Formats: sequence, C-alpha cells, structure tokens
Amino acid sequence: QKEVEQNSGPLSVPEGAIASLNCTYSDRGSQSFFWYRQYSGKSPELIMFIYSNGDKEDGRFTAQLNKASQYVSLLIRDSQPSDSATYLCAVNRNTNAGKSTFGDGTTLTVKP
Amino acid sequence: GAVVSQHPSWVICKSGTSVKIECRSLDFQATTMFWYRQFPKQSLMLMATSNEGSKATYEQGVEKDKFLINHASLTLSTLTVTSAHPEDSSFYICVWGTAYGYTFGSGTRLTVV
Repeated sequence: QKEVEQNSGPLSVPEGAIASLNCTYSDRGSQSFFWYRQYSGKSPELIMFIYSNGDKEDGRFTAQLNKASQYVSLLIRDSQPSDSATYLCAVNRNTNAGKSTFGDGTTLTVKP
Repeated sequence: GAVVSQHPSWVICKSGTSVKIECRSLDFQATTMFWYRQFPKQSLMLMATSNEGSKATYEQGVEKDKFLINHASLTLSTLTVTSAHPEDSSFYICVWGTAYGYTFGSGTRLTVV
C-alpha cells in the first residue's frame, strides 16, 4: 500500500462544473497536507495547505480534511479549462514543510 | 515572494559526463532544501535533504557519490550528477521548505544520450 494514494484519473469534468479530487494517506501521525498543481513539463505549484479537520476555502478551491478517516480532498468550483493539470497531494509529519510524501497525482481535464 | 531560480532548465549530455544543476532562493533564506526527481508519469521522489553547511541526507537507494549536493549558503544549493547514464535521465526539481509548503524550482530536464 502506498503511503499517499490518489486516483490517477483522468478525471474529466465540463467547464463550470465542480471537480473533486481525493487523497488518502496511511500515516496517522501526519500533521500537514498540501495540494499542488502541476502542468505538463512544469514544476508543481502550491495551491493550498490544510492542518485542521474541516474545510478551508480559497477562492474557487476548497480543501477538506478528515484525519479520522485519513482523507483529504480538493474541490474546484466553476472549473476552467486552465485548471486542466495533474494535482498532487502531499502529506507531512510536521506542520512546517519538511519531508513530504507525494501521491502519484490525479490528472484533471476540464472540457470547454 | 518565495521565488526559486533553477538552472539550467534543460540539458542534454553524453553518457559518462557530469552535469551541475544550480538552485537559488531569490527573496528568502532557508537552511533546509530538498532535491526531488520525477520520472515521466510518476510522482516526485525525494532524493536527498540538504542542510546549509552540513552533509546532505540521502534517501535509500540514492547514491551519494553519484549525486553530489553542495549547500554552501542559505540561498544556494547545487546538485551534480556525476558520470551520468541514460537511466539518470529525469526531471530534477529543487525545493525549498517553508512553513506554508514547498516552493519549487522550475526544474531541470536532464537527458543523457
């Protein structure tokens, strides 16, 4: 079992819809959780981080964390074609970004 | 803020030669940074953790004598791939850690022919 698991996709949604990306992790000691977006051939860029159970919203993005279920998700509202990318979930045992463990990523395609 | 410059962005080298990749933080300082490698359609794999002024800590399976890391200052780290082979062809990414997540360099696409 991988430490951080994501559905590889591809996940396809129409423009304007909500895209839901899921991530589960195995280490119960994990403290911080990050979502990164990676366009093909580019480095990842941080979208959101979350430390506490519940929802955290930033613009069109909402991160949801459930530590009891070891589950973190990313919702993208009003999806745009420019959101088409691979989304990486990363998990860390510390609240500052030390060594994170990355999932393999979910490829999202937003169709116009 | 939190800008990282990584050079070169791509390099093609002959098998057996060495390649140096440079990573600079432009507007912040940090003692710790990380070098990752990403093969096509795979996720990022941590190669080593680098602390300024001390030896890097390598992950299992990563040869320290092959991947030389020099972290001489709070803003500069280099990764040298020595005696490169085709299987070393990959996307190498430097990452600086902050309290709010990672700041990634733009990556270096290494192709060994």
